[in-house]
Amino acid sequence: EDKVVQSPLSLVVHEGDTVTLNCSYEVTNFRSLLWYKQEKKAPTFLFMLTSSGIEKKSGRLSSILDKKELFSILNITATQTGDSAVYLCAVIVRGGSEKLVFGKGTKLTVNP
Amino acid sequence: NAGVTQTPKFRVLKTGQSMTLLCAQDMNHEYMYWYRQDPGMGLRLIHYSVGEGTTAKGEVPDGYNVSRLKKQNFLLGLESAAPSQTSVYFCASSSPRSGGFTDTQYFGPGTRLTVL
Repeated sequence: EDKVVQSPLSLVVHEGDTVTLNCSYEVTNFRSLLWYKQEKKAPTFLFMLTSSGIEKKSGRLSSILDKKELFSILNITATQTGDSAVYLCAVIVRGGSEKLVFGKGTKLTVNP
Repeated sequence: NAGVTQTPKFRVLKTGQSMTLLCAQDMNHEYMYWYRQDPGMGLRLIHYSVGEGTTAKGEVPDGYNVSRLKKQNFLLGLESAAPSQTSVYFCASSSPRSGGFTDTQYFGPGTRLTVL
């Protein structure tokens, strides 16, 4: 059974802190890993990672994939209250029809 | 472009009632998906479609039916609603790369359904 596990499930930090969110996976046929940010409503796309060791960056957010150890991390530096959200990790699994398997998410709360 | 839209935004049903959720996308995407999101469960795939006229079961298909009669629309039906179907429902769409791979999924705003 394809599985995506995120840790921690929740995290509370103060503004300015740096956080690292983890995503590990066990899937039959990996294609890519996606990170999403979900605030009140729909998830919004952050990154797609397909190759090991190549860091993707967007402002204070960055992410990297390790296909040997089957995990990815999402880093947020100098956190702001606007970073408070649930961060979702998902893996695209190849097959007859591709599918997206989601983790349960990490709820990040950034306090002023 | 409106992106992915969902109708309705909120709905309250009584057990045994039926309803249809509508998802529409204007990005000409081939793939469309229906998810449900429950507290502590993440997003779970109900059904999906890889093209007009085709549908397939996801992780939690029981109690739901879908139809994709037009490329831009994906309907999710509940024939006889149950309290266990109380959830937030998200629709998403994506465009496959060459080789038929899915890519980044774009999500609708969600429908909050309560079944009493």
